[in-house]
Amino acid sequence: EAQVTQNPRYLITVTGKKLTVTCSQNMNHEYMSWYRQDPGLGLRQIYYSMNVEVTDKGDVPEGYKVSRKEKRNFPLILESPSPNQTSLYFCASSEGGRATDTQYFGPGTRLTVL
Amino acid sequence: LAKTTQPISMDSYEGQEVNITCSHNNIATNDYITWYQQFPSQGPRFIIQGYKTKVTNEVASLFIPADRKSSTLSLPRVSLSDTAVYYCLVGDDSSASKIIFGSGTRLSIRP
Repeated sequence: EAQVTQNPRYLITVTGKKLTVTCSQNMNHEYMSWYRQDPGLGLRQIYYSMNVEVTDKGDVPEGYKVSRKEKRNFPLILESPSPNQTSLYFCASSEGGRATDTQYFGPGTRLTVL
Repeated sequence: LAKTTQPISMDSYEGQEVNITCSHNNIATNDYITWYQQFPSQGPRFIIQGYKTKVTNEVASLFIPADRKSSTLSLPRVSLSDTAVYYCLVGDDSSASKIIFGSGTRLSIRP
């Protein structure tokens, strides 16, 4: 089954404790991206990747890191999480690299930073 | 920087036609306009996309005027299961790969 998976689905952590949220897709898509969703603000793009070793900033990249060492994986790294990073995070992938292309979203990761 | 504007919320009743309009400026010239639907605790899913004029599929219709500064998603004969948040999505004129979601429209359907 074609899908985007994220782990963990739920995470509660404390300020400053490094964490990684994994994202994997099995559709051989070149484009992958991370979004955060906050009440009243919709989805905001954090980082995106056009292909392996190619990443770029979205609208809200501060406090986040990403890497794209393999085509299927695109982990989101929070080196020193803070409470304002409490949010619902979605990973997505698409075959091409434009807003044109249909994006397939993962199930989401709900992160709480205390 | 492309920016989209949608109504925050809309209410309707089962069986009615619902039209949700999104305003967008400075979208990438060659890009399509795409709409997504999101249910609570799920990722968004694709509904429809278009470039100009009108597009129709089994779920919805999309109307885009010639100037492409707005688009209207039309849901015919809505049901309770259409209660969701709807987003219009455009590329940014500085980079078609940088994706700008609107803040979404929360559609509530009543019996």
